[in-house]
Amino acid sequence: SAVISQKPSRDICQRGTSLTIQCQVDSQVTMMFWYRQQPGQSLTLIATANQGSEATYESGFVIDKFPISRPNLTFSTLTVSNMSPEDSSIYLCSVPSTGNTEAFFGQGTRLTVV
Amino acid sequence: AQSVTQLDSQVPVFEEAPVELRCNYSSSVSVYLFWYVQYPNQGLQLLLKYLSGSTLVESINGFEAEFNKSQTSFHLRKPSVHISDTAEYFCAVSDYGSARQLTFGSGTQLTVLP
Repeated sequence: SAVISQKPSRDICQRGTSLTIQCQVDSQVTMMFWYRQQPGQSLTLIATANQGSEATYESGFVIDKFPISRPNLTFSTLTVSNMSPEDSSIYLCSVPSTGNTEAFFGQGTRLTVV
Repeated sequence: AQSVTQLDSQVPVFEEAPVELRCNYSSSVSVYLFWYVQYPNQGLQLLLKYLSGSTLVESINGFEAEFNKSQTSFHLRKPSVHISDTAEYFCAVSDYGSARQLTFGSGTQLTVLP
């Protein structure tokens, strides 16, 4: 199984500011995925982070709001820009297993925007 | 497009009683099916998965789920629950052959009462 470390684990931020979330994996992976879990709701895929190319965003999510970097095969960042209270959520990164038979998740970053 | 429906948002049950958490899915292609568990303030952990073969899959802590293709269901069951099973349970689906991107249900909060 993959070990995924996310930083920070939680943060409280002022509206209008930005927060960058880091995701480190203990093995090289082609694709990394970023999900959002709004309070009391399920997980929604934000984007797929590909090494060496632009991230692919799902409907309803845009690069200006959620820029993603993927500098190498073990690391990615997600930035939540110009935050508002509606951005208060848990953000999780995920990687597929070798063979793509399951997905592993980080512990998540609990973001509160005040 | 795929979708997952978890019919019960909250399931309270007494300790040592049986429980069933319901999950139905919709997909135009063959799928992989998963149950993930999220304990309070923690990330997602894979509970069990169906990829192919036997339609009954089991976890190490006594949960089981049965894939029913005709009813497009993947209900999760446990014959006797413990207080420690209190958590949020998410059913998820991916395209067959690739568990990279998951579509999640809305989740079921299982609360085990003493």
